[in-house]
Amino acid sequence: DVKVTQSSRYLVKRTGEKVFLECVQDMDHENMFWYRQDPGLGLRLIYFSYDVKMKEKGDIPEGYSVSREKKERFSLILESASTNQTSMYLCASSSLRQAGQPQHFGDGTRLSIL
Amino acid sequence: SQQGEEDPQALSIQEGENATMNCSYKTSINNLQWYRQNSGRGLVHLILIRSNEREKHSGRLRVTLDTSKKSSSLLITASRAADTASYFCATAFVLLNAGKSTFGDGTTLTVKP
Repeated sequence: DVKVTQSSRYLVKRTGEKVFLECVQDMDHENMFWYRQDPGLGLRLIYFSYDVKMKEKGDIPEGYSVSREKKERFSLILESASTNQTSMYLCASSSLRQAGQPQHFGDGTRLSIL
Repeated sequence: SQQGEEDPQALSIQEGENATMNCSYKTSINNLQWYRQNSGRGLVHLILIRSNEREKHSGRLRVTLDTSKKSSSLLITASRAADTASYFCATAFVLLNAGKSTFGDGTTLTVKP
């Protein structure tokens, strides 16, 4: 069965820390995505990647970076965490073979920055 | 601004009733997808409808698409308490490397037993 795994369900960090959120998919998907979800704002795309070492900015990339060294793993990095980055972070993947294909989501990481 | 906007924002019904949620979007699309999200979990894909399709069924789900009005609806028939969740539409416009979809803000459905 299709699986997207996010390393932590809950995470608490301090302002100024460098934070790593990890996501692994086992479907050999080309596309991977990072979203944040806030009440009343829906899902907003932070970054996505359509191939190893390739990345493109989404709608809200400021304060974030990403890394994709292997096809199955897509990491989101908060360079210097701030309280306004407290949110639910969702990772997803999809197949490039047919563009516009459904995305498969992990269960999310609820990140709190104190 | 978001491509897809769901309406209503919240819907509360009794078990056994039908639930209808609507989605409007702004630009041309190749397909539209509906997802479900249980509280505190990730999104789960429900159904995809292509721009050349008008209606699609999957179990108790019925999706319609009207590209002239740039709108879609999701109907859940004979609702159950387990259908309580948030429902999102997502639109995809296929460009060179775009596997992206743009999500709306969602409709929160509560089904009372």
